[in-house]
Amino acid sequence: SYELTQPPSVSVSPGQTARITCSGDALPKQYAYWYQQKPGQAPVLVIYKDNERPSGIPERFSGSSSGTTVTLTISGVQAEDEADYYCQSADISGTYVVFGGGTKLTVL
Amino acid sequence: EVQLVQSGAEVKKPGESLKISCKSSGYSFTSYWIGWVRQMPGKGLEWMGIIYPGDSDTRYSPSFQGQVTISADKSISTAYLQWNSLKASDTATYYCARQSGVVITTDFDYWGQGTLVSVSS
Repeated sequence: SYELTQPPSVSVSPGQTARITCSGDALPKQYAYWYQQKPGQAPVLVIYKDNERPSGIPERFSGSSSGTTVTLTISGVQAEDEADYYCQSADISGTYVVFGGGTKLTVL
Repeated sequence: EVQLVQSGAEVKKPGESLKISCKSSGYSFTSYWIGWVRQMPGKGLEWMGIIYPGDSDTRYSPSFQGQVTISADKSISTAYLQWNSLKASDTATYYCARQSGVVITTDFDYWGQGTLVSVSS
């Protein structure tokens, strides 16, 4: 079955830039989406279609794509950005939705 | 305002059946896919399946095919996730979420608050 691979954890100091990657063979063909999830809360969409930001999401959140890897970048990380982040995409045929395993972002 | 409101927490025994719900409001229920996502304690998100209430077209993840049933009632704008025989391993929080586009490969733009299902003897 198709999988998306994320690093389990990323740590940064406040004000620095955090980069979270997501790798999958179908990513050149399928859009990626990113969600932020804080403890006890439902996920929130922070990036759609690889690099688009929904209204209400701070400008410090951005997305990019290169080959089989997509990246969520958080510039000027703030304490409130500490959360789990998940990428979502689909298999090459668009039959199944897949989530990455999630990355825990720790703000030191 | 788009809202997805899920039914409350459930405590069940292995072998029991269960149906949880997700009531939608603030948009045309029959025009958007509704998906279900599992999150086991301390674990990540898993896509279970999805339904298009307009024509009841339903797709399942291979991991959940045959294990659960997804359905919808257009008359009350409500989607359902159902088990015939629960297992302890079904203990998890289950989220419903609306897909933003006409194909299933788009993002989930609105989420329910989650339903915690606990299965224990």
